[in-house]
Amino acid sequence: DAGVIQSPRHEVTEMGQEVTLRCKPISGHNSLFWYRQTMMRGLELLIYFNNNVPIDDSGMPEDRFSAKMPNASFSTLKIQPSEPRDSAVYFCASSLVSLAGGLYNEQFFGPGTRLTVL
Amino acid sequence: TQLLEQSPQFLSIQEGENLTVYCNSSSVFSSLQWYRQEPGEGPVLLVTVVTGGEVKKLKRLTFQFGDARKDSSLHITAAQTGDTGLYLCAGPYSGGGADGLTFGKGTHLIIQP
Repeated sequence: DAGVIQSPRHEVTEMGQEVTLRCKPISGHNSLFWYRQTMMRGLELLIYFNNNVPIDDSGMPEDRFSAKMPNASFSTLKIQPSEPRDSAVYFCASSLVSLAGGLYNEQFFGPGTRLTVL
Repeated sequence: TQLLEQSPQFLSIQEGENLTVYCNSSSVFSSLQWYRQEPGEGPVLLVTVVTGGEVKKLKRLTFQFGDARKDSSLHITAAQTGDTGLYLCAGPYSGGGADGLTFGKGTHLIIQP
């Protein structure tokens, strides 16, 4: 089975440009998460969706960041305008959460998109 | 936000040695997870611990969840070069279920041949 797919794997752009990161979750998973990883701050949760609905976007750093999940198999994270401090590795993860609930979820991560904003 | 602190931040040892890394919090977690991340890849789940005092073994790796569910440890016996990587602990933001995870900053482990 294919894992979480992210594109592009690397993105280099100039300050002020719009950047769009893409994610295809594992088929059948109903939750999708966007994380950002830097050396200074580690892995930080930006936003997550359950059944395509945004549940918590409190981790989104600024209004320049937006995320959408138009269907169960696709999500985007957009930065407009981009700034050098946005340089990081952005990860998408997905999980399957049972309707009966549970104490935990096991998240499967994609390979990440390394973003460099010059 | 519940914080997870990991120690040590960096650890370099010789192949064959034993090691323990720690994950601590002042908050109670319903569960804790350990992930391993290799360069250029996303984290991969190793184990989830859900019961206070629980011990889980994965070959040479032993994971323990503290009785109070505020801390966890990972012990590696007879480390191998393939164990090199970034070890991350993570817990659910609140009750679990569909929640996102809060991560510690990780322990960078290097096993030298």
